[in-house]
Amino acid sequence: GEDVEQSLFLSVREGDSSVINCTYTDSSSTYLYWYKQEPGAGLQLLTYIFSNMDMKQDQRLTVLLNKKDKHLSLRIADTQTGDSAIYFCAESRSSASKIIFGSGTRLSIRP
Amino acid sequence: GAVVSQHPSWVICKSGTSVKIECRSLDFQATTMFWYRQFPKQSLMLMATSNEGSKATYEQGVEKDKFLINHASLTLSTLTVTSAHPEDSSFYICKQRAGEYGYTFGSGTRLTVV
Repeated sequence: GEDVEQSLFLSVREGDSSVINCTYTDSSSTYLYWYKQEPGAGLQLLTYIFSNMDMKQDQRLTVLLNKKDKHLSLRIADTQTGDSAIYFCAESRSSASKIIFGSGTRLSIRP
Repeated sequence: GAVVSQHPSWVICKSGTSVKIECRSLDFQATTMFWYRQFPKQSLMLMATSNEGSKATYEQGVEKDKFLINHASLTLSTLTVTSAHPEDSSFYICKQRAGEYGYTFGSGTRLTVV
């Protein structure tokens, strides 16, 4: 079955880079997403990558995809206190298919 | 781990009718269920938070008389879209806590109102 896994916690020092990792099982995944949830808010789509891409960069965010290993990562450069949130990895087979989410990684920033 | 069964996965209904979406916790008792709706560009908007045995808390701008949420037991939360219109066509998904940390999502329901 389809499954997406990610670790529950990550703690980084302010100014360092954060790397949040995710693995998925569906080899038919076409879209891979990263969502950010801040307290009391919905899930904001941060970025997404197509399965035929290896990397996507958007300002401080870098997404790396290893399709062979079904491994997705999100790197946040120069992590700031405003980056404290829960980050969800997700995948779908198409833009109209159901989205399978991971359990979320809680990113905390220490001074 | 915790599993949430959501159904139906997809539904097509006529304008003016009501549709009920269920989220059932299979191996975990969920006192709180979150309901989301997907908007263009894939962001998920939190519609409401339901708590077992009490009234749901709706987010600003969400019509509580249109989107009825019931959380009558620890294992079942339902969202009913009443008098559905084409603009209600969307992807609806529920989420519950899985343990003290982490969350589990339902598989989502794609609603098409014609």
